[in-house]
This record gives sequence, structure tokens and C-alpha cells, in this order.
Amino acid sequence: EVQLLESGGDLVQPGGSLRLSCAVSGFTFSNFGMSWVRQAPGKGLEWVSAISGSGGSTYYADSMKGRFTISRDNSKNTLYLQINSLRAEDTAVYYCVKIEGSWSWGQGTLVTVSS
Amino acid sequence: DIVLTQSPDSLAVSLGERATINCKTSQNVLYSSNNKNYLAWYQQKPGQPPKLLIYWASTRESGVPDRFSGSGSGTEFTLTISSLQAEDVAVYYCLQYQSTPRWTFGQGTKVEIK
Repeated sequence: EVQLLESGGDLVQPGGSLRLSCAVSGFTFSNFGMSWVRQAPGKGLEWVSAISGSGGSTYYADSMKGRFTISRDNSKNTLYLQINSLRAEDTAVYYCVKIEGSWSWGQGTLVTVSS
Repeated sequence: DIVLTQSPDSLAVSLGERATINCKTSQNVLYSSNNKNYLAWYQQKPGQPPKLLIYWASTRESGVPDRFSGSGSGTEFTLTISSLQAEDVAVYYCLQYQSTPRWTFGQGTKVEIK
């Protein structure tokens, strides 16, 4: 059974940084591209970033370039999202998504940016 | 970027009646080489991640009730719930994956009981 478990969400002050993690199981992690999708409170779904199975290719939504860094450790079956210079508008639930083969979503981790 | 516009933003339907949600894409998501439309539909209930209902515009995901159906091609698509049930109250999103991995979603349509 495919499982994706996000962690790392927290209450952070504006300007701070955070690293989100997504631990996966149930499939050969290195064979599949992965994404992060976020959802602000009461709002719609927004694609944030993606990474190839090898980690050699990364992609970002235009509005996320510069402050967001996606990475993966295939030896640990874990996906990461580093977010720097956090802003109030980054407040959202961040979902980890397996985007190749059969799609799967985690339950999400909440990032709150507030002073 | 491919922009997806859903209509309506919300709708209220009586139990047992039909609900129809539309999704228009700013670019053609039909890939001519395989004749497939790279368009999916998701259902999201409060506090839960989205659940895949339909992919390739009209293929129902395993386990999804057959009251859910998808249609359309090119730039115009429709999700139909043939007989609305109480458990179908949710927000529904269309998704284009032609530009994978750069997904884009519609803004969502909230379905309620009248």
C-alpha cells in the first residue's frame, strides 16, 4: 500500500524558514516523480514544485522560484521542501503527491506564517 | 501556463438530481499522438486530501461510483453526478496534467444539497 506522510509544518514568524519532509513507503521511490501542492485556508489547490525520480530535474511554479527548494533522498525514501523568507501568504496545508504511475496524496502538513 | 476555469463556483442540487460542473482550459489538453485528454477531476471533503475521481477526461478511477462521469475534449470538459447523494457534498476540482509535472487546477466548485 502506498503511503505518504508529511511532517515539518509549524507556526513560523514572517521571514523564517522551514523544511517540510514527506516519508514514503509502498513503492520504489526512486522510480517516480514527486510534487508538492499547497492549499491556503479556504482556498483552492496550487501546484508548488516537482522533482524527477533521480532528483536531477526540478520544477517550480513561477511564483515560488527563489524561495522554495525541492529535493529528495532516495536512500531514505524521503521528499523535502525547503521554504525560506516565509510570508503570510505561504500559510497553507502542503501536500506531498506521487505524480507518476498511480497518483497518491499524503494527508498534508500545515504551515502557518504569523507573528 | 494553462489556465483552468470552472463554472459555476458553487451549486446546490436536490438529493437524487443531476449536478453538472464545467471546466474550460486555456489551451488544448488533447494530445494528438495518443488521442488522450490530459484532464482529471478530484473531489475534496473538509479536512481530507483530494480524491481522484476521473482521469483521461472520462476514465473513472477504480472504486468510484458510476454516478460520476466525465466528458469533453480539447478545451471544454464536464463532470456529471447523475444522482446526487448526501456523501457527494464536497468541492470538486479539475486538473490538467498535459504540462506534467507543471500541474494546474481549476478554482474549485462547491456542491451542496438544496
